[in-house]
Amino acid sequence: ETGVTQSPTHLIKTRGQQVTLRCSSQSGHNTVSWYQQALGQGPQFIFQYYREEENGRGNFPPRFSGLQFPNYSSELNVNALELDDSALYLCASSPNSGSGADTQYFGPGTRLTVL
Amino acid sequence: DAKTTQPTSMDCAEGRAANLPCNHSTISGNEYVYWYRQIHSQGPQYIIHGLKNNETNEMASLIITEDRKSSTLILPHATLRDTAVYYCIVRPASNTGKLIFGQGTTLQVKP
Repeated sequence: ETGVTQSPTHLIKTRGQQVTLRCSSQSGHNTVSWYQQALGQGPQFIFQYYREEENGRGNFPPRFSGLQFPNYSSELNVNALELDDSALYLCASSPNSGSGADTQYFGPGTRLTVL
Repeated sequence: DAKTTQPTSMDCAEGRAANLPCNHSTISGNEYVYWYRQIHSQGPQYIIHGLKNNETNEMASLIITEDRKSSTLILPHATLRDTAVYYCIVRPASNTGKLIFGQGTTLQVKP
């Protein structure tokens, strides 16, 4: 069974650019959540996708957007990058949405550096 | 959303049990307690979760007090590879089930 995978591993962008991060969910999981983790902080919830629809959003501006595909893989897009967007971006998949017992399993993350 | 309180850091001798406490006094009746750990710059790793009863798996044991206001994660025989930040999370009773991470406890296992 393949776990959650993310690409790329590392990425360097300049301020104002746009970036797309990718996530493949664990086999059998139809829900993907994205988190941002700044250095020295715990991960912060960005949004969740369930069956290709956004299913909840944290306190992030609209320039953070996402997609989920029919195979349940997902993309996180960030427009107009700012220096503060430099962080580890984590993707987590879970078997289904709507239950407090749906365990989320995390991928290794993408380290984004904005210069 | 229920908040958790954890000590900032703890030390444990290799081979001994590591007991990591967590307070969650505002937890609601249908909210689960989850534990994850994160080794430097890697993705968080799921450890265990519980609702009311104590739980045990191959990684750890979770002891939840009867009033559910606190819990303890027990690593029975800590190794150097258990050095990590440990997060105690109360899973909100919402459709999203988003995880709200605090600062966690940095556990240092020493030889």
